[in-house]
Amino acid sequence: DIQMTQSPSTLSTSVGGRVTITCRASQSINRWLAWYQQKPGKAPNLLIYKASSLQSGVPSRFSGSGSGTEFTLTISSLQPDDFATYYCQQYDTYPYTFGQGTTVEIK
Amino acid sequence: EVSLLESGGGLVQPGGSLKLSCVASEFSFSDSPIHWARQASGKGLEWLGHIRTKVNDYATRYAASVSGRFTISRDDSKNTAYLQMNRLKTEDTAMYYCLRGSGAFDIWGQGAMVIVSS
Repeated sequence: DIQMTQSPSTLSTSVGGRVTITCRASQSINRWLAWYQQKPGKAPNLLIYKASSLQSGVPSRFSGSGSGTEFTLTISSLQPDDFATYYCQQYDTYPYTFGQGTTVEIK
Repeated sequence: EVSLLESGGGLVQPGGSLKLSCVASEFSFSDSPIHWARQASGKGLEWLGHIRTKVNDYATRYAASVSGRFTISRDDSKNTAYLQMNRLKTEDTAMYYCLRGSGAFDIWGQGAMVIVSS
């Protein structure tokens, strides 16, 4: 199985700050990577697909980049609504696998 | 509103069975692959498997952790997918989600809680 490793596990940032989350795959997944945001008690919400394509309705402060084995999710200016847990997920190879999550907390 | 809605969760004893349903609204269900994933409390997400569409012969695929115990099916006439779970273990306790998509999942249900305990 392809292992997805996110870093950091937890991030403390102020409103307005810039956030970068890294996701590394144990083997190349081309650009078949998605990013999700999950808030407590809710299902995940798709933010980014195919590494850098912004899902409809998602604010433009979210962006994704990368290919192969290394990917990043960037939030350019953190808003109060962005405090949540973020997951990457590869869909290059079955079984699809998720990263362990990165929690963005208020500093 | 485009949505998925799970039902059928509950408390079951180890070794028992449970069947979850996932009803789709406001999109072409028959054209959509449907996946299932789960999340144990306070833990990460685990993909469980999927069922493809009629044009792909309703092909299914499963994660190793559930293969042989879980079965995914669908009834396009009812806009409904199912997850039949047999020989349940305590480690199957989790929130179960159905998802729409071919890889990146743009629609998730609200989840159905399954607790496996004696």
